Amino acid sequence: QVQLQESGPGLVKPSETLSLTCTVSGGSISRNSDYWGWIRQPPGKGLEWIGTIYYTGKTYYNPSLKSRVTISVDTSNNQFSLRLSSVTAADTALYFCARERTRFAWFDPWGQGTLVTVSS
Amino acid sequence: DIQMTQSPSTLSASIGDRVTITCRASQSISSWLAWYQQKPGKAPKLLIYKASTLESGVPSRFSGSGSGTEFTLTISSLQPDDFATYYCQQYNSYHTFGQGTKLEIK
Repeated sequence: QVQLQESGPGLVKPSETLSLTCTVSGGSISRNSDYWGWIRQPPGKGLEWIGTIYYTGKTYYNPSLKSRVTISVDTSNNQFSLRLSSVTAADTALYFCARERTRFAWFDPWGQGTLVTVSS
Repeated sequence: DIQMTQSPSTLSASIGDRVTITCRASQSISSWLAWYQQKPGKAPKLLIYKASTLESGVPSRFSGSGSGTEFTLTISSLQPDDFATYYCQQYNSYHTFGQGTKLEIK
C-alpha cells in the first residue's frame, strides 16, 4: 500500500525558507485520481492545510499562506516538495504530507510527520 | 472561508460509554466531511469520509452522520484504544479542520 515519508531540516532560521520533501512509496505519484497535500500542526494545536498538488503540477494553496508557499512535484523520483518562505516562530510545527483521494477530498494515508522548529 | 467548530473541546468518558462529538460548519458543505483520530506524536488516522462512510478496517463502533452544516461522530461503546483527539475536516471548499475534541478517560 502507499506510504509517505517526509524529510528535511528540523531547524530553520527566522526569515529563511523552509524546505521539505515527501517521498511516496508503494504506488505512483502519477496515479490519475490522487492528489498530494501538505498539512501542519503547531505544537499542542490543531491541523492546518497548507496546499495540494497534482502530478501535472497543478497546485491549490491555503489563501492564508499562498504568498509564501510553493509546492512542486518530481514524478521521476515519486516525490513532492514544500517551500515556505520568510518563516517566523509561528511556522514551528509538525509538518505532514498526505495523499488526497481526488481533488478536494479526505487525506489518507499520512506520513509520520516531521518537526520543523524556527529559531535562531 | 469555511470555519469548522467542534464541541465539546474536551470530553471525559468511561469504557463502554456511548459518546458523540459534534462538528458545525459555517456554511453548508453538503456531505463533504471527514473524521480523523489522532494520538500524541502520531499522524491522524482516517475514520470516516463523506460524512458517514466508514473507512475500511475501522471498527463498526464508529459512525458518522449529518449533512449541510451539522455533523456528528459517535462511538457506540468506548474501548481503551479510543482515547485520543478527534478532528473533523471539510473538503467542500479547499480544506478546513475543526479545532479538535480530546477524549479523556473519566
